[in-house]
Amino acid sequence: DSGVTQTPKHLITATGQRVTLRCSPRSGDLSVYWYQQSLDQGLQFLIQYYNGEERAKGNILERFSAQQFPDLHSELNLSSLELGDSALYFCASSPRRESRRDEQFFGPGTRLTVL
Amino acid sequence: DAKTTQPPSMDCAEGRAANLPCNHSTISGNEYVYWYRQIHSQGPQYIIHGLKNNETNEMASLIITEDRKSSTLILPHATLRDTAVYYCIVRVVSGGGADGLTFGKGTHLIIQP
Repeated sequence: DSGVTQTPKHLITATGQRVTLRCSPRSGDLSVYWYQQSLDQGLQFLIQYYNGEERAKGNILERFSAQQFPDLHSELNLSSLELGDSALYFCASSPRRESRRDEQFFGPGTRLTVL
Repeated sequence: DAKTTQPPSMDCAEGRAANLPCNHSTISGNEYVYWYRQIHSQGPQYIIHGLKNNETNEMASLIITEDRKSSTLILPHATLRDTAVYYCIVRVVSGGGADGLTFGKGTHLIIQP
């Protein structure tokens, strides 16, 4: 157990719909990352937040957005869903700046199926 | 652009040492070598990282060549639970969480009973 929690575990929806995935980082971690893992694209970094501010963007589509709240939990919003958005979505968190290992701790993921 | 090259798959007998190679010939002086693994659709798990010296922790050892163009992850006594995809990643470390990780295709390590 990494200490990172994600809800829901599974999500099934239809094309054109909008969903919200939620992530709670480990206690004390200020950075939250979102990743997408699909069969054809592999594991891809989407976006990072640090203490409520967007810090880095990866291959995130314009239809997707994220935010980090004052209590440090984060939400990933996916809209106008397409079949190709079906994937595992992982959230990760990392320790404070003084950490020497700079490792990321990953949650169990949310499996999104778009029908 | 892929910064690392790994074999797509490897087998290892249970109880033996598993040696996973990684080529990173374009690594920069300030980039570290990180290893993560992913066990069947679970979230990836950090294993070890290093800059230029060999490193060892409770999970594995990391051997980095003197020119830093390649490295080897060693699982000293592989068990069936070590069957996973292993990712070698090079990245700059800035503390507090740098940019997101760039995962390649990794090596699918299969431990045989």
